[in-house]
Amino acid sequence: QKEVEQNSGPLSVPEGAIASLNCTYSDRGSQSFFWYRQYSGKSPELIMSIYSNGDKEDGRFTAQLNKASQYVSLLIRDSQPSDSATYLCAASRPYGGSQGNLIFGKGTKLSVKP
Amino acid sequence: GAGVSQSPSNKVTEKGKDVELRCDPISGHTALYWYRQSLGQGLEFLIYFQGNSAPDKSGLPSDRFSAERTGGSVSTLTIQRTQQEDSAVYLCASSLEAGGQPQHFGDGTRLSIL
Repeated sequence: QKEVEQNSGPLSVPEGAIASLNCTYSDRGSQSFFWYRQYSGKSPELIMSIYSNGDKEDGRFTAQLNKASQYVSLLIRDSQPSDSATYLCAASRPYGGSQGNLIFGKGTKLSVKP
Repeated sequence: GAGVSQSPSNKVTEKGKDVELRCDPISGHTALYWYRQSLGQGLEFLIYFQGNSAPDKSGLPSDRFSAERTGGSVSTLTIQRTQQEDSAVYLCASSLEAGGQPQHFGDGTRLSIL
């Protein structure tokens, strides 16, 4: 069973702090990784993608990938109440799966307190 | 509106009935994806239309599920002889180019089977 695991949370951080969201995946064949943000009652929106080991920064967001340890993380710097949402981690399906066929975790709920 | 449009937004039907869900992708987008999200579960891949290539149907859970995409634009997901376990939010997404991940999700169709 190919899985993506996330802590369901809720993860609560004060405004201005760094929020750290983690994700592990079970199959070393996964090559591409994505973070989606989903506000309550809304659809997911893609916020970050990462394909190589190391860090990738985009504004206040940094995605980190460690293929040896099979984990992906998302750091949100200077967290704002508007960042409160569920964050979904997704991995490409390995070994011949199409690029549109992603394995999603159940998400981590983040709450940023003013 | 320039976003992905799905209809109906809500559908309640009796067990055993057939349902059709519609997705209008963003104009010019080559790739179209169907996922579903059950309560407390991660997004589950259903089908991916990747431009002129054969669709990836590997996520369809049973032969009661089918989907088509006419003229490279509108897509319809059909569920025959619905069961209670089919209850979920069905999400459609599109992307400009094939060979990538879902980028722009619609608001979804909430399907409830009585």
